[in-house]
Amino acid sequence: QVQLVDSGGGVVQPGRSRRLSCAASGFTFSSHGMHWVRQAPGKGLEWVAVISYDGSAEYYADSVKGRFTISRDNSKNTLYLQMNSLRPEDTAVYYCAKDRSLKGLGEPDYWGQGTLVTVSS
Amino acid sequence: AIQMTQSPSSLSASVGDRVTITCRASQGFRDDLNWFQQKPGKAPKLLIYAASTLQKGVPSRFSGSGSGTDFTLTISSLQPEDFATYYCLQDYTYPYTFGQGTKLEIK
Repeated sequence: QVQLVDSGGGVVQPGRSRRLSCAASGFTFSSHGMHWVRQAPGKGLEWVAVISYDGSAEYYADSVKGRFTISRDNSKNTLYLQMNSLRPEDTAVYYCAKDRSLKGLGEPDYWGQGTLVTVSS
Repeated sequence: AIQMTQSPSSLSASVGDRVTITCRASQGFRDDLNWFQQKPGKAPKLLIYAASTLQKGVPSRFSGSGSGTDFTLTISSLQPEDFATYYCLQDYTYPYTFGQGTKLEIK
């Protein structure tokens, strides 16, 4: 069965960087796009970024464009989110999610358990 | 970016009730609309994709409809496990955008 394990969260100071990881199993990772979605405490869901199955295409929310970079290592079945110049408003639970489409980009279907990033001095 | 407006923001209902949640888009598209359910402390779960297609394993009491700017999620007969927060998501264009959520509570 599909399993996504998010990791890398923690407390980070404003202006610093953090890298999140998502270890995937139970499906052919190299055939599916992958998403990051976040949720600030007590708030709704915010889509963050998506990367195509082969890493050739990336798209971002305006709120993170130029600061965050999504990437993947298909040899390790792992998705990453490099977060730079972090701000207090980036505080959220970050979820990775598998794209439902095979070698396309569409909606996320299976999600990880999330990892909490707190940006605070 | 496309704005997604859900209504109502919250809803009180009883087991067995039929409920409808609406999502309105600031610009129209065919069927690139998805519905998710989220329970407290848990990851979201995909219920419906492409506006009306039920995800595998989701009970048939859930249904979706709509196109253009107006989409609906209907639960035909509420069960105790359905009390949760529901979100719509458009995947018509980047950046993808979620509705603000509808919290479904027990009356």
